[in-house]
Amino acid sequence: AQTVTQSQPEMSVQEAETVTLSCTYDTSESDYYLFWYKQPPSRQMILVIRQEAYKQQNATENRFSVNFQKAAKSFSLKISDSQLGDAAMYFCAYRSVLRSYNFNKFYFGSGTKLNVKP
Amino acid sequence: NAGVMQNPRHLVRRRGQEARLRCSPMKGHSHVYWYRQLPEEGLKFMVYLQKENIIDESGMPKERFSAEFPKEGPSILRIQQVVRGDSAAYFCASSLIGTENSPLHFGNGTRLTVT
Repeated sequence: AQTVTQSQPEMSVQEAETVTLSCTYDTSESDYYLFWYKQPPSRQMILVIRQEAYKQQNATENRFSVNFQKAAKSFSLKISDSQLGDAAMYFCAYRSVLRSYNFNKFYFGSGTKLNVKP
Repeated sequence: NAGVMQNPRHLVRRRGQEARLRCSPMKGHSHVYWYRQLPEEGLKFMVYLQKENIIDESGMPKERFSAEFPKEGPSILRIQQVVRGDSAAYFCASSLIGTENSPLHFGNGTRLTVT
């Protein structure tokens, strides 16, 4: 089965600064999708950004962007101009699209808690 | 266009009782996933269902836990004879199949407390 690793259990950033959250994954598949989710204290899971593995261009959503390195199996999330509302748990997720027993399964990392200091 | 609806939001059960958690997927979504989240931990996959069919239950404990997604009505996660270790947040998510970049859409979760 695919594994997703987030090696930073907790990180802190100063308001208005930039922070990068790491995510690596292990797969033998060539096509898949990657996602970052945010879970604020309300516990709601919110999609932040998605990346198709076949696309070389890194996805961007406003202040959020990814650095997708397919060969290295790395998918980091960069948050620019951090805001207090960005404080949350962030989960990296992998979606398998290979038509096998893994089809449509989503695998999540253990999460990184982001603190934003005013 | 309602999102994924889970109820109840909070559920308190005494040890030995049964817990029933309900999930209605987003309109048009026919696949449902259940995840468990312990405090300060990540999401653990439990089960993946489509209507009237369990696709993958490899994350479900072998005893006391069951899930269904009937042709009509919500998906149900059922925990029999609950124990304190079952206390957690249980999240349901749904996805659009056939659109491969479709993310999981999550409900707000049910927080189960076993006393």
